[in-house]
Formats: sequence, C-alpha cells, structure tokens
Amino acid sequence: EAGVAQSPRYKIIEKRQSVAFWCNPISGHATLYWYQQILGQGPKLLIQFQNNGVVDDSQLPKDRFSAERLKGVDSTLKIQPAKLEDSAVYLCASSLTVDRVNSPLHFGNGTRLTVT
Amino acid sequence: AQKITQTQPGMFVQEKEAVTLDCTYDTSDQSYGLFWYKQPSSGEMIFLIYQGSYDEQNATEGRYSLNFQKARKSANLVISASQLGDSAMYFCASRSGSARQLTFGSGTQLTVLP
Repeated sequence: EAGVAQSPRYKIIEKRQSVAFWCNPISGHATLYWYQQILGQGPKLLIQFQNNGVVDDSQLPKDRFSAERLKGVDSTLKIQPAKLEDSAVYLCASSLTVDRVNSPLHFGNGTRLTVT
Repeated sequence: AQKITQTQPGMFVQEKEAVTLDCTYDTSDQSYGLFWYKQPSSGEMIFLIYQGSYDEQNATEGRYSLNFQKARKSANLVISASQLGDSAMYFCASRSGSARQLTFGSGTQLTVLP
C-alpha cells in the first residue's frame, strides 16, 4: 500500500512570511495527525482529525497555525506569519482509527521548515 | 496526562551485540498501548513494535522485543544482533484510551559500531 505522502520536502522562508504543507494519508485511514518535531526532541502533536472533524487541537498555536482536512482525506497545515521558533520538521501521520489504542500511526517523510 | 521518559540521550553498541533502550511511562489509564519508532537520519518515523497494557506476553518482532514490566511502568526495547543499519534515533511512545493521541519521549540516539 502507498504510504503517507507529504510535500514539500524542504522549505526555507523568512520570518513573517506564510507557508503551507500538504499531506495525503494512507487510503482508508480515518485519523490524520500533524506533529511538530524540533531538532533533538520528540514529535509534539499539533492537531488530530477524525475524518474531517477536529479531535484535538489543544496544542496548536491558533494565532498563527491553521489546519484543515478537505473531505476527510487530504490535509493542509498553514503557518501565518512564521516565527524563527517554527523551524522544525512537520510530520503528518495517519491511522485506521482513533478509538483503538493498538492502532499504530504511519508517518510521512516530513517537511523540514527553516525560518530565517 | 501521559508522560514518556527516555533517560539515555545516546547509546553505543558493537555490531552483532544486543542493546536495551530504556523507556518509562506514566499514565493513570488502565488501557493503553506502548509503541517504539525508529527515525533514521533521513527523517521518516518507522513503526517497530507495539505492546498493549493487557498483553501478558512481551511483544516480539524479528530482532526487536519489548521488555514490558507493568508494575515498574517500563517498556524497554531490546534489539538483538545489532546491525550497522540500526543506527538511528529511537522513540518510545504511548497512547491511552482517554488521551487518544500518541505521546513521544525525547528519544535515544543509537550508534552501532563496526
């Protein structure tokens, strides 16, 4: 089966600019996640969707970050305006369902964002 | 709230030897799952192994096994017969029935020496 697709692979922007990331989950996976991974740290959840509804966005900095999941499939994550501390790898993941603790997350290759 | 602690920032192991990566967790839920992921320098997160809180047997997947000690709240990953390709960052993570999200530790950088 095809894995989680993310684009772009790399992005360099200046602070105060905007940027968008795209994710296409594994076919049939109801749950989609966006994680932020700062260099040297573990991934931190930003937002979690079940189909096209938001399950958890408690750690999303909503003054600058936004995300949507169109028709319960693809998702975009946007940052506007970007800050230096947003430099990180943004990982998209999907799983079959959110309601089973044994359902592993499958990750994409990530987008490495550098804000200068 | 869930918390994962990985106390080994870096580990070295000789090729063909076994290595144990430590992980302790903290959750108040009775039903939870524990996961290990591998992240090579290329960046992708690769799922390795899963252990459920009600599983009586320790999980095994090829050269990977999980040493699950429920009373001590530990879920250590054991890699047998290390290979050079095992050099990577390893993350322990947990997921509980109430929290739903996967919470990660800070990771352990494993280096396999020839």
